[in-house]
Amino acid sequence: SQTIHQWPATLVQPVGSPLSLECTVEGTSNPNLYWYRQAAGRGLQLLFYSVGIGQISSEVPQNLSASRPQDRQFILSSKKLLLSDSGFYLCAWDTWRGGSTEAFFGQGTRLTVV
Amino acid sequence: EDQVTQSPEALRLQEGESSSLNCSYTVSGLRGLFWYRQDPGKGPEFLFTLYSAGEEKEKERLKATLTKKESFLHITAPKPEDSATYLCAGRGTYKYIFGTGTRLKVLA
Repeated sequence: SQTIHQWPATLVQPVGSPLSLECTVEGTSNPNLYWYRQAAGRGLQLLFYSVGIGQISSEVPQNLSASRPQDRQFILSSKKLLLSDSGFYLCAWDTWRGGSTEAFFGQGTRLTVV
Repeated sequence: EDQVTQSPEALRLQEGESSSLNCSYTVSGLRGLFWYRQDPGKGPEFLFTLYSAGEEKEKERLKATLTKKESFLHITAPKPEDSATYLCAGRGTYKYIFGTGTRLKVLA
C-alpha cells in the first residue's frame, strides 16, 4: 500500500534560522508531489509541486524553496526563516487509480517561528 | 480567477440530523472535484473525487454529488465521530484550489 511520511511533526525555530522539512512516499513510483501551507481559518495554499525528479514549480513567491532529489522524496527548505513562515505545512501526492485521481496528505508539520 | 467557496463555515447538528455541505467552484479546465475530511492537527483524509455533472459517490454516511457549478456533501444520520472540518478542492492541470472548509460538529 502507498504511504506518505512527513517529519518532524512539530518544530519551533528562531527567526533567521534555516529550515528543512522532508517528505517521502512509499509504494508508488513517479508520483506528483506537493507542498502546502495551511494558516488558521484559511484554506490550503499550494507552495510547490513537482511532476518528476528535479522538476519544481513554485506557486507563491516567498522565502521558501523546494527540491526533489529522488523520485519519492520532496524537501521544503528555507535559508532564513521569517515570523510569517509559521504555519502548518503539508506534503501531498496524487495518483491515478481505478479510473480516478486520488490525492493523499502527510500528517503535517506544525512550524512555529519565534 | 480559479476559486472554490464552501458554505456554511460552521455547522452544528444533533446526532441523526442529516444535512448538506456546499462547495461552489470556478476552476478552469477542471480535472476533478475532491472532498477531504480533516481532524484537528492532522493532514486531510481523502474521501472522494468527482468528475462529471450528475456523478455521485458514497462512503458510509457520506454522499458527494456534483453539478457544473457546485458539489454537495450530504451527511445522513451523522454521528459524533463525523465531527471534523470538511474540505473541497478543484483540480486544474496540476494545481488544487482548496476552499476554507466547513467545520462540522455533531452533538450526541
